Amino acid sequence: EAQVTQNPRYLITVTGKKLTVTCSQNMNHEYMSWYRQDPGLGLRQIYYSMNVEVTDKGDVPEGYKVSRKEKRNFPLILESPSPNQTSLYFCASSSMIGETQYFGPGTRLLVL
Amino acid sequence: KQEVTQIPAALSVPEGENLVLNCSFTDSAIYNLQWFRQDPGKGLTSLLLIQSSQREQTSGRLNASLDKSSGRSTLYIAASQPGDSATYLCAVLPMNTGFQKLVFGTGTRLLVSP
Repeated sequence: EAQVTQNPRYLITVTGKKLTVTCSQNMNHEYMSWYRQDPGLGLRQIYYSMNVEVTDKGDVPEGYKVSRKEKRNFPLILESPSPNQTSLYFCASSSMIGETQYFGPGTRLLVL
Repeated sequence: KQEVTQIPAALSVPEGENLVLNCSFTDSAIYNLQWFRQDPGKGLTSLLLIQSSQREQTSGRLNASLDKSSGRSTLYIAASQPGDSATYLCAVLPMNTGFQKLVFGTGTRLLVSP
């Protein structure tokens, strides 16, 4: 089954404790991205990647890092999480720019 | 800066009604427009994608139209069912961002009552 998977689905952590949210797709997609969703603000792009080793900032990259060492994986790293990073995070992928984007199930993060 | 607005924010209808969800965007320089469905606890599911050169797309009971010059799109749902209850999101792919990101509206929460 073609899908985008994210882990963990739910996470509660404390300020400053490094964490990684994994994202993996099995569709051989070149383009991947991360969004966060907050009430009243909609979804906003954090980072995106055009292909392996090619990443760039989206609208709200502060406090986040990403890497794309393999085509299928695009982890989101929070080096020192803060409460304002409490949000619902989505990973997405598509075969190429402009094509339908497929979204993962989301990761709900609470930073205390 | 591209902005996407969806009205209404919430809508409640009885089963069987036909309904229209609205999406407007401020900059007509878009590559395409997508409608998504979001269910609680789940990710986004793409419903329809309309390229900028197209006027509409249909899938089953869903029909999406695009009027790029006026910055508007509508999602028409025929014969609504309780299973259609979800949040519907509209997103545009602006041309001036190198086609790198979708710009989303904040959604319309739909409730279809039996």
